[in-house]
Amino acid sequence: AQRVTQPEKLLSVFKGAPVELKCNYSYSGSPELFWYVQYSRQRLQLLLRHISRESIKGFTADLNKGETSFHLKKPFAQEEDSAMYYCALRPRGAQKLVFGQGTRLTINP
Amino acid sequence: EAGVAQSPRYKIIEKRQSVAFWCNPISGHATLYWYQQILGQGPKLLIQFQNNGVVDDSQLPKDRFSAERLKGVDSTLKIQPAKLEDSAVYLCASSLGLRGTGGGETQYFGPGTRLLVL
Repeated sequence: AQRVTQPEKLLSVFKGAPVELKCNYSYSGSPELFWYVQYSRQRLQLLLRHISRESIKGFTADLNKGETSFHLKKPFAQEEDSAMYYCALRPRGAQKLVFGQGTRLTINP
Repeated sequence: EAGVAQSPRYKIIEKRQSVAFWCNPISGHATLYWYQQILGQGPKLLIQFQNNGVVDDSQLPKDRFSAERLKGVDSTLKIQPAKLEDSAVYLCASSLGLRGTGGGETQYFGPGTRLLVL
């Protein structure tokens, strides 16, 4: 079965503090993992994908196949990072996305 | 470049009524997706089109939901009759579709249609 779990529905940190949004997945093969973000009153949009191994807006995420995790990290949170974050999995050979339930991140001033 | 367009943005209906949603993908995008997002959950794929053909409709409740993409561009999603549990945001997304049913492409999402069934 394909499943993405985000254990935290809500996460609140202070500006300048490190932030980590957790994501675990269940998939029998080698999936492609993504983080999508939805800012207030905006559309759901791609933040980053594990294949690119890039840093976007200071965020990074490393795929850990042993722990089946793809946690999103940022060393110093900013107020504009407040948003809803979704971890998603794309099964190999498919285009559809399987989403987690999302984590609402709030950065306090 | 214009993004994915959806209408209406909001709809309130009573149970057992019918409703239809419209989506216009980004120009040139061959693949179109409809997702259902229930409050507190992540989006769940209902149906995926490649041009005007259905690639995946395994999670579409076919007794009440239907979707079409007749000319391979715009798409409509219909619910008939609606149930209370259909209250959700319906998201349309599109991608280039250059890789057939393979992976690797970015999906671009529309603003969604928020449906409330009373």
